[in-house]
Amino acid sequence: GDSVTQMEGPVTLSEEAFLTINCTYTATGYPSLFWYVQYPGEGLQLLLKATKADDKGSNKGFEATYRKETTSFHLEKGSVQVSDSAVYFCALLYSGAGSYQLTFGKGTKLSVIP
Amino acid sequence: EAEVAQSPRYKITEKSQAVAFWCDPISGHATLYWYRQILGQGPELLVQFQDESVVDDSQLPKDRFSAERLKGVDSTLKIQPAELGDSAMYLCASSLRQGLSAFFGQGTRLTVV
Repeated sequence: GDSVTQMEGPVTLSEEAFLTINCTYTATGYPSLFWYVQYPGEGLQLLLKATKADDKGSNKGFEATYRKETTSFHLEKGSVQVSDSAVYFCALLYSGAGSYQLTFGKGTKLSVIP
Repeated sequence: EAEVAQSPRYKITEKSQAVAFWCDPISGHATLYWYRQILGQGPELLVQFQDESVVDDSQLPKDRFSAERLKGVDSTLKIQPAELGDSAMYLCASSLRQGLSAFFGQGTRLTVV
């Protein structure tokens, strides 16, 4: 079935460092792709999305580009802040068996130190 | 800003007891999801509703879990009897319709002792 693979964490960066969290997917069709963020003890917040190839999603300084040729949707930010410390989940939404399936990766924990 | 409401936020129950969680999706959202998230892992779908109908419950352990959305608005997830392995975060999400972005509630943290 369709699935998402994220880079293993945890990732520890200094404030103002560049962030990349890798995400690749396996899908038979053309899924929509998402990044969600989860702060400790909270639910998931939608960070950004892309619905077709070459789309770029962006929000709060984060960006990700839907790359069909490499089946990737890597999350990037040019300068991280301590407040970005959280767990980041890549997800795909695809149509199958009469319904849309929203499937998540295992998450990547980011810690930003001052 | 509209939000998905869940209650309770935290629940501690003894094994073999019954427990129920409630979710009120964003107004007008036809699709509702229940996910289970074990600590340190990604969310896994338990059940998905379109209005009042179940469209996917293939991962729901039906011997002990049940879910309903009788009027196509709010929803209840029940576990009976609870087992130690059910300790997890239970997340509810909704979307305007299938195929669109899903928005999550704060979750219910269940601890079974």
